[in-house]
Amino acid sequence: NAGVTQTPKFRVLKTGQSMTLLCAQDMNHEYMYWYRQDPGMGLRLIHYSVGEGTTAKGEVPDGYNVSRLKKQNFLLGLESAAPSQTSVYFCASRRTDPTEAFFGQGTRLTVV
Amino acid sequence: QQQVKQSPQSLIVQKGGISIINCAYENTAFDYFPWYQQFPGKGPALLIAIRPDVSEKKEGRFTISFNKSAKQFSLHIMDSQPGDSATYFCAASKQARGNKLVFGAGTILRVKS
Repeated sequence: NAGVTQTPKFRVLKTGQSMTLLCAQDMNHEYMYWYRQDPGMGLRLIHYSVGEGTTAKGEVPDGYNVSRLKKQNFLLGLESAAPSQTSVYFCASRRTDPTEAFFGQGTRLTVV
Repeated sequence: QQQVKQSPQSLIVQKGGISIINCAYENTAFDYFPWYQQFPGKGPALLIAIRPDVSEKKEGRFTISFNKSAKQFSLHIMDSQPGDSATYFCAASKQARGNKLVFGAGTILRVKS
């Protein structure tokens, strides 16, 4: 039972490069989320999705785009990476009722 | 604005002692209050959660105390062990489209043996 799987686990980008982070969940959850974690700031919501084909902005959406073409996958894109996007990114999924959110292992991204 | 405020930022406790982490929230519409535990290099994992219709919930050595009128809730870890050393996050969500979790800034707990 894989739960929530994120790829890649580590990545180094040069300023201006683009990349896509992939999140896959096998629990048939409707809701999926992308968070970023920075020291002393907890986890901040970037974008989220309430179902296949839907996306919505979270607290810190600027510089990121997302897509949810299939229910089990949620992609986070950086079109033109900036050093301020150096962070650890977590994907999570959840049922529609307010219960446990399951997190992936994280992607550590460094933008130089 | 920070909707969930967590303190302290870091905490050192002796083995066998009690660890206490506090959180305060602003939005009275929040109706689900979980605590997540995160070990280095791992994603957060649910530790224990409470809803506002109860004032306390206990699971093993972990207890959440909830004060609705004060808009505060806290995590108590009894008989703290070195294996409890981790980062702890409080969070809150409300019954709404997306059920988005809002997190506190986190507390780094170190239990000294």
